[in-house]
Amino acid sequence: SQTIHQWPATLVQPVGSPLSLECTVEGTSNPNLYWYRQAAGRGLQLLFYSVGIGQISSEVPQNLSASRPQDRQFILSSKKLLLSDSGFYLCAWSLLAGGGTGELFFGEGSRLTVL
Amino acid sequence: DQQVKQNSPSLSVQEGRISILNCDYTNSMFDYFLWYKKYPAEGPTFLISISSIKDKNEDGRFTVFLNKSAKHLSLHIVPSQPGDSAVYFCAASALGAQKLVFGQGTRLTINP
Repeated sequence: SQTIHQWPATLVQPVGSPLSLECTVEGTSNPNLYWYRQAAGRGLQLLFYSVGIGQISSEVPQNLSASRPQDRQFILSSKKLLLSDSGFYLCAWSLLAGGGTGELFFGEGSRLTVL
Repeated sequence: DQQVKQNSPSLSVQEGRISILNCDYTNSMFDYFLWYKKYPAEGPTFLISISSIKDKNEDGRFTVFLNKSAKHLSLHIVPSQPGDSAVYFCAASALGAQKLVFGQGTRLTINP
């Protein structure tokens, strides 16, 4: 069966520090991978998605970047965190093209607090 | 531009009654709709979906209704149980699109 893991689960970082959140998927090949953010009181905002190794699409301009060095690995990064980067970050995968006719499977989430 | 809208941020329902969560969308290209349930500090989990060729899909206590002409869908939970208390997200996608678009979520609280 397929599983998705992301870490760390909780992170408290000072403003201006770097960030790296990692996500891995097991039990499937060539998944579409996604990073979402849920800010306090807001919905799920798509940040990045990837349809293959090295292929990254950015949905909103921001202080973050994403990389996909391996088929089942998706990394969210920042060189210098801002206060507004605080939120709950979710990695997700789908097998069919972007979940167009399928569903997304989410990781456990990573809560980032920038102080 | 919020293409998927859940206008009720919260809903409170008595245990055993019906819970109705609503969702509106603006993009006429959307042809697949999903509902996700999310507990605090956890990732969302898929609940139920519906294709635009249908107007109703039922799975146990959960039923999703789609009104394409009104660009509106709703999730009915009956009977509501305390374990249903969570945030519910509506999501939509267009054929061939690479992503789901989510609504803002509705926090459902089931009172004993």
